[in-house]
Amino acid sequence: GENVEQHPSTLSVQEGDSAVIKCTYSDSASNYFPWYKQELGKRPQLIIDIRSNVGEKKDQRIAVTLNKTAKHFSLHITETQPEDSAVYFCAAGIAGGSYIPTFGRGTSLIVHP
Amino acid sequence: GAVVSQHPSWVICKSGTSVKIECRSLDFQATTMFWYRQFPKQSLMLMATSNEGSKATYEQGVEKDKFLINHASLTLSTLTVTSAHPEDSSFYICSARSGTAENQPQHFGDGTRLSIL
Repeated sequence: GENVEQHPSTLSVQEGDSAVIKCTYSDSASNYFPWYKQELGKRPQLIIDIRSNVGEKKDQRIAVTLNKTAKHFSLHITETQPEDSAVYFCAAGIAGGSYIPTFGRGTSLIVHP
Repeated sequence: GAVVSQHPSWVICKSGTSVKIECRSLDFQATTMFWYRQFPKQSLMLMATSNEGSKATYEQGVEKDKFLINHASLTLSTLTVTSAHPEDSSFYICSARSGTAENQPQHFGDGTRLSIL
């Protein structure tokens, strides 16, 4: 089955800095990669996703890049704000049929004001 | 937007008690529901996937007789932790999706914190 590794487990930045979270996956057939944000005590929420036919996707301060050859994808947050503090999870899976994502272990992002 | 309601949000009970957790999709039909377990500072570990009207598919290592899942309607799935013990204490979270394709996003419930004394 799919195995997703996520690094770092904890990331501490100053407000305004950029933050990068990286994930690698094992199954080369995986072709859909969502990212979730989970604030303390709250539910995970989808913030951005990317499919394997695209190398990069942006949504305001958030971007995701995908390197299919190396089987890794990254979340980039620019101009971080304290409200970006949360746990971020990456996921990977194979589209088609019933899509069941495998989640990474999560990255706790702390943005210091 | 799509809303998933999970109830209860917090349960504290004695060892040996069975606990039922409900997961409801409020404004969409959830063809598929997922049940996850999350330990402190750890990821979402998939326990089982259920499709409406079918038996749940359990992940390896998850005891189906211990964690009973019912998905009898398109808006409700339940997870029953039978004869719960302290090691079952955890954060349980459900998610629901209409359809099976990846472009149908998973909508998560708020989770249930289960504490077994």
